[in-house]
Amino acid sequence: QKEVEQNSGPLSVPEGAIASLNCTYSDRGSQSFFWYRQYSGKSPELIMFIYSNGDKEDGRFTAQLNKASQYVSLLIRDSQPSDSATYLCAVPNSGGYQKVTFGTGTKLQVIP
Amino acid sequence: DVKVTQSSRYLVKRTGEKVFLECVQDMDHENMFWYRQDPGLGLRLIYFSYDVKMKEKGDIPEGYSVSREKKERFSLILESASTNQTSMYLCASSLSGVVEQFFGPGTRLTVL
Repeated sequence: QKEVEQNSGPLSVPEGAIASLNCTYSDRGSQSFFWYRQYSGKSPELIMFIYSNGDKEDGRFTAQLNKASQYVSLLIRDSQPSDSATYLCAVPNSGGYQKVTFGTGTKLQVIP
Repeated sequence: DVKVTQSSRYLVKRTGEKVFLECVQDMDHENMFWYRQDPGLGLRLIYFSYDVKMKEKGDIPEGYSVSREKKERFSLILESASTNQTSMYLCASSLSGVVEQFFGPGTRLTVL
């Protein structure tokens, strides 16, 4: 079983809709979770992180964490064509030195 | 702003050549990482370094070596390039104790 799993997509949503991206992880001891956005041909950039159960909101982005079910979600409200990108879920390794394991990413396409 | 630079955006080498990929960060980060990114496989850690002259193997170190002689510079070396090392190579850095990683623009390496 992969440590961090994401559906590769593409996930297509119309402009203005809510995009829901999901990530499951295998290490029950994981404490923090990160979402990176990667535009085509560009490098990943951090957009959200969450440490505790529940929701964390930042503008149009909401991260949701459910530790009991071992999944973390990223919701994008009022999706825009500029949100079209691949979204990577990242979970720090328990081995230290701030290593993280990245999911393979979900490609999001926002249709105008 | 954190800046991570990589020596080349595109590189074409021949099988058997020795290849050097350079990464420089300007924010005094302790941790530096080398990843390769391939379609369907996501970001995979090759090597990382948590201090000058210190290095640790990642998930796929075979065929690679690294060098960190100065804090700001982390080099990835392909001792004898092979066609299966054709990939996008991404360098990243982070502060000690902080999970967020900052990525360079990437080097797309093609081995013929």
